[in-house]
Amino acid sequence: EVQLVESGGGLVQPGGSLRLSCAASGFTFSSYAMNWVRQAPGKGLEWVSAISGSGFSTYYADSVKGRFTISRDNSKNTLYLQMDGLRAEDTAVFYCAKDAGYSSGWYNPDAFDIWGQGTMVTVSS
Amino acid sequence: DIVMTQTPLSSPVTLGQPASISCRSSQSLAHSDGNTYLSWLQQRPGQPPRLLIYKISNRYSGVPDRFSGSGAGTDFTLKISRVEAEDVGVYYCMQATQFPLTFGPGTKVDIK
Repeated sequence: EVQLVESGGGLVQPGGSLRLSCAASGFTFSSYAMNWVRQAPGKGLEWVSAISGSGFSTYYADSVKGRFTISRDNSKNTLYLQMDGLRAEDTAVFYCAKDAGYSSGWYNPDAFDIWGQGTMVTVSS
Repeated sequence: DIVMTQTPLSSPVTLGQPASISCRSSQSLAHSDGNTYLSWLQQRPGQPPRLLIYKISNRYSGVPDRFSGSGAGTDFTLKISRVEAEDVGVYYCMQATQFPLTFGPGTKVDIK
């Protein structure tokens, strides 16, 4: 069964750091680009970051550029999101999502066919 | 950035009746590779999003055939031929033609 399971969310103070993980199973992880998408409470979806299948290419939304770092360990089938300098407006459920198309060094986005259940990040003092 | 808009934002429907959601992009979603990367996602209450339609009109695996997508360029439509109770939720369009990837604001579908 194809599955994504996020972890690492929690309560953190403004300016703090958190690292999210997304464990993948049921597919050849290294062959697919991965994404992080967040959803603030009661709000819509916002794309955060993406990484190609090999990890060579990374992409960020302007709202997180310079504060968040996406990475992956293909030997562990795991995606990460290192979040530094957290702000109250980063409070959201963070989902990892698999792209439907094959990706190696570069990432040409297609559609997000598999989503995890999400992990909640709360930034508050 | 490509801005995605959806209408209506709320759609009360009668069970068994059709529903239609419009999605418009601020610029053409036609990619230089010949594809148009417009997809539709469904988010049921308390659940993560789920892919319904990709590249305008392709139904994802396991999606009932009452869901269909159409459109081109900047104007796209998701149709549900006969709404069932399990279709209640929020529907998002999403463009993947250009970074940053962007979503529409969502259309809430509920039962009258």
